[in-house]
Amino acid sequence: QKEVEQDPGPLSVPEGAIVSLNCTYSNSAFQYFMWYRQYSRKGPELLMYTYSSGNKEDGRFTAQVDKSSKYISLFIRDSQPSDSATYLCAMRNDYKLSFGAGTTVTVRA
Amino acid sequence: DAGVIQSPRHEVTEMGQEVTLRCKPISGHNSLFWYRQTMMRGLELLIYFNNNVPIDDSGMPEDRFSAKMPNASFSTLKIQPSEPRDSAVYFCASSARRGGVSYNEQFFGPGTRLTVL
Repeated sequence: QKEVEQDPGPLSVPEGAIVSLNCTYSNSAFQYFMWYRQYSRKGPELLMYTYSSGNKEDGRFTAQVDKSSKYISLFIRDSQPSDSATYLCAMRNDYKLSFGAGTTVTVRA
Repeated sequence: DAGVIQSPRHEVTEMGQEVTLRCKPISGHNSLFWYRQTMMRGLELLIYFNNNVPIDDSGMPEDRFSAKMPNASFSTLKIQPSEPRDSAVYFCASSARRGGVSYNEQFFGPGTRLTVL
């Protein structure tokens, strides 16, 4: 079993829809929870990170962490075609990041 | 700041050849990471340097892989001899670590797409 499980999709939604992404994990030592966005043929870039259970908002993006269930989510409101990318969840223990497989999202205009 | 710089961006080589990938981290960052990304295995950490010293090389798949960081502004990942199963995108990332505490953001370079025929 992988440390981090993420449904690879793909996910296709119309412009303006809410995109919902999630990951589960098995390692209780993970301290920080992150979401990276990766455009085609580019390196991943950090979108959001959280430390504790609960919600964190940044513009159209909301990250949720439920440590008791070992479950994290990312919601994208009012999705735009420019949000089309692969979204990777990542979890950190000290310096080490463990990544999910990534979910490919396409937002149709 | 130019961000993390990697070269070459693309490399096509034949099985058995030596391949050297290069990385220049962001100035002032003292942690450097090499990752490999494939469809089958996703993004995997190969090796981690802190202050130019290799701290964790447990992700290096075989002895054919080696990495060096001779100074704070340059690192190489070498594969010798290369094999078709080494075909992947190799990313370098850097971040800051101060007083034993890692900062969250690892800045990734654009990657080197390696194809071994």
